[in-house]
Amino acid sequence: QKEVEQDPGPLSVPEGAIVSLNCTYSNSAFQYFMWYRQYSRKGPELLMYTYSSGNKEDGRFTAQVDKSSKYISLFIRDSQPSDSATYLCAMTLGIRGYNKLIFGAGTRLAVHP
Amino acid sequence: NAGVTQTPKFRVLKTGQSMTLLCAQDMNHEYMYWYRQDPGMGLRLIHYSVGEGTTAKGEVPDGYNVSRLKKQNFLLGLESAAPSQTSVYFCASSYPGQKNTGELFFGEGSRLTVL
Repeated sequence: QKEVEQDPGPLSVPEGAIVSLNCTYSNSAFQYFMWYRQYSRKGPELLMYTYSSGNKEDGRFTAQVDKSSKYISLFIRDSQPSDSATYLCAMTLGIRGYNKLIFGAGTRLAVHP
Repeated sequence: NAGVTQTPKFRVLKTGQSMTLLCAQDMNHEYMYWYRQDPGMGLRLIHYSVGEGTTAKGEVPDGYNVSRLKKQNFLLGLESAAPSQTSVYFCASSYPGQKNTGELFFGEGSRLTVL
């Protein structure tokens, strides 16, 4: 069993839809949770970062962490064609040393006009 | 500000050939990483470095070697390429200590095909 599970999709939605992307994990010691966005043939870039449980909002994006269920989500409101990308969840035990991030396999999202 | 730059961007090798991927960062980051990305597998850490002159093994180090002779450069070497090393390779860097938010800064990737 992988430490981090993520549905690879692809997920296809119409412009303006609410998108929900999810990851589950097995290690209850993970403390830091991130979402990276990766456009085609580009490197990943950090989109959202959350420490421990709770919600974090940034514009149209909301990251949610439920540590009791070992489940994290990324919601995208009013989705746009420019949101079409692969979304990778990532998590780590701590950030005092090097960033030993464990990544999900990524969910490919396509937003069509 | 170029960020993290990888060269070459594309390469085709024959089994048994050797090559080196170069990563350069201009953000004065202490930590640097090499990942490989394969379909359905996500990003997997090959080797990493916490400072000039230091390297350490990651999750999938076999068949690769690295060197960090200068702070801004991190080299990934394949001594005898195998088809299983066909992948997209990403270099990343990050801040240490107090500035560290867990964020990795990635290059655009190097696509390697081993025939």
